[in-house]
Amino acid sequence: DIQMTQSPASLSASLEEIVTITCQASQDIGNWLSWYQQKPGKSPQLLIYGATSLADGVPSRFSGSRSGTQYSLKISRLQVEDIGIYYCLQAYSAPLTFGSGTKLEIK
Amino acid sequence: EVQLVETGGGLVQPGRSLKLSCVASGFTFNNYWMSWTRQAPGKGLEWVASITNSGGSTYYPDSVKGRFTISRDNAQNTLYLQMNSLRSEDTATYYCTRGTEGHFDYWGQGVMVTVSS
Repeated sequence: DIQMTQSPASLSASLEEIVTITCQASQDIGNWLSWYQQKPGKSPQLLIYGATSLADGVPSRFSGSRSGTQYSLKISRLQVEDIGIYYCLQAYSAPLTFGSGTKLEIK
Repeated sequence: EVQLVETGGGLVQPGRSLKLSCVASGFTFNNYWMSWTRQAPGKGLEWVASITNSGGSTYYPDSVKGRFTISRDNAQNTLYLQMNSLRSEDTATYYCTRGTEGHFDYWGQGVMVTVSS
């Protein structure tokens, strides 16, 4: 099974700050990586797919990047509405596996 | 507008069965793979099952293989998850998700399943 190691587990940042969350894949997964945001009490929502493509309706302050088997989600200017838990997902091979999540709070 | 509405959750005793349903609307159902993903209380996300658009192939992780069965009725725009031999560790919110090229672009509101005596 492919392991997705997500870091940090939690993050506290100030408004307008740049935030970066990473997922390290245990093997090559190409661009089969997506990112999800789960706001408190809500269902997860797609942010990024194909490692770097922004999903419809997602603010442009969110971006995704890849360097080898390391994937990053960046929020360029943190806003209050960005609080929640963020997950990565690899869909290169079954079983599909999620990262363990990053809880993002406002400092 | 894409909508995914799950039903069928509830409290069930260990070893018993439960069947979840997900009614889809707002898109051509038989064009998409569909999946179930779950989240135990206070925990992260876990993929549970996927089915191809025709229903011809299904996929499961080892944690549910042999106990859960995903199926679909394309005429009724409905996805199902039959869960047998339920265990306490199956307690979770179950989400119906639409799959597109390796990602889940729409999620339902979720349905809670509690396995307890």
